Amino acid sequence: QTVLTQPPSMSGAPGQRVTISCTGTSSNIGAGYDVHWYQQFPGTAPKLLIRGNNKRPSGVPDRFSGSKSGTSASLAITGLQAEDEADYYCQSYDSSLSGSYVVFGGGTKLTVV
Amino acid sequence: EVQLLESGGGLVQPGGSLRLSCAASGFTFSGYAMSWVRQAPGKGLEWVSGISDSGDGTYYADSVKGRFTISRDNSKNTLYLQMNSLRAEDTALYYCAKPYYGSGRGSFDSWGQGTLVTVSS
Repeated sequence: QTVLTQPPSMSGAPGQRVTISCTGTSSNIGAGYDVHWYQQFPGTAPKLLIRGNNKRPSGVPDRFSGSKSGTSASLAITGLQAEDEADYYCQSYDSSLSGSYVVFGGGTKLTVV
Repeated sequence: EVQLLESGGGLVQPGGSLRLSCAASGFTFSGYAMSWVRQAPGKGLEWVSGISDSGDGTYYADSVKGRFTISRDNSKNTLYLQMNSLRAEDTALYYCAKPYYGSGRGSFDSWGQGTLVTVSS
């Protein structure tokens, strides 16, 4: 079971805005740990898309943005393009009595219809 | 340019062992904690293990604790993952990942291409 919850799939038309949610708990996102987002195309390694909740690494289009509030975070993609069709994962850190770990969401498959 | 090159994957029988390696270049390896992240076929990402920059601290997911051992050789810029008592559910593509910040608690800004481990009789 994954610690962070994402919708398994989402879809949108070209030009639309889509938002992918990532829901955690008080031991991870709610504890103040940053949320990061990755984009992964089939057969390739994940690519860092958003770090530190809302910071775009160099080269990432400003169509991608991140936010965080309480125990949840979101990745927004505006002006959806066909090339955005990919899997998206959120990541954070979890600290509880059982230990401290890097945690991922289960991933969201985005389809551009 | 950061490069991470994993090797050592292959087909192994249940209960067997494998040792993965990750050769790093393009950054000061000894200044960064490192992690292994795996992805089962058709599934999501799962953090497996992490190690501090000096190697003094090691961390494991519950699913591999007691079976896997992470280590590093900073003189060789190489990260390792010794996997023992392998199970079918360990079948996955194993990625070596470098954190954006040296401490390793944040995001991973560089990933290798992965090495495939298949556990099957």
